[in-house]
Amino acid sequence: EVQLVESGGGVVRPGGSLRLSCAASGFTFGDYAMNWVRQAPGKGLEWVSDINWSGDTTGYTDSVKGRFSISRDNARNSLYMQMDSLRAEDTALYYCARVKDSKYWAFDIWGQGTMVTVSS
Amino acid sequence: EIVLTQSPATLSVSPGERATLSCRASQYINIDLAWYQQKPGQAPRVLMYHSSTRDTGIPARFSGSGSGTEFTLTISSLQSEDFAVYYCQQYHKWPLTFGGGTKVEIK
Repeated sequence: EVQLVESGGGVVRPGGSLRLSCAASGFTFGDYAMNWVRQAPGKGLEWVSDINWSGDTTGYTDSVKGRFSISRDNARNSLYMQMDSLRAEDTALYYCARVKDSKYWAFDIWGQGTMVTVSS
Repeated sequence: EIVLTQSPATLSVSPGERATLSCRASQYINIDLAWYQQKPGQAPRVLMYHSSTRDTGIPARFSGSGSGTEFTLTISSLQSEDFAVYYCQQYHKWPLTFGGGTKVEIK
């Protein structure tokens, strides 16, 4: 079964750090670009970051540039997000999502998400 | 940044009726648009990509159309399982962006 499972969320104080992980199974992880998408409570979807299949090209939404860092380990079938200098507005459910195809950057497989709460 | 504006915000439809959802882009995005369905407590599911290509296993009652800046998702005959929130997403230019969503509710 094709699956993505996120972990690493929790409650953290403003200015703190967290590292999210996403474990992939059921497909050849190294063949696909991957993304993080977040959803604040009761709000819509927001793209956060992406990484190509090899890990040498990354992208970020402006609000997290310089604070978040995406990475991957294809040998471990895992995607990561290092989140530093966290702010209250980073509070959200964080999903990892697979890119369907390099021609169609739609997200065809999603995890169930891991919740990040930034609060004092 | 490309802004996607979805309308209406809420659509009240009776089962069996047709639903038409709109997504407008603030600038040209060719056909680089996907549609997602999200039910409460669940992750989004992709319905459509490349504006009008249904993803694997998506029923034929879902159809997408449009190019440039105007796009439409049509559900030809709403089933009970179709009541959900729908999002459009563009992948023509980074940063990737989503629309604000349309909630399809039971009338």
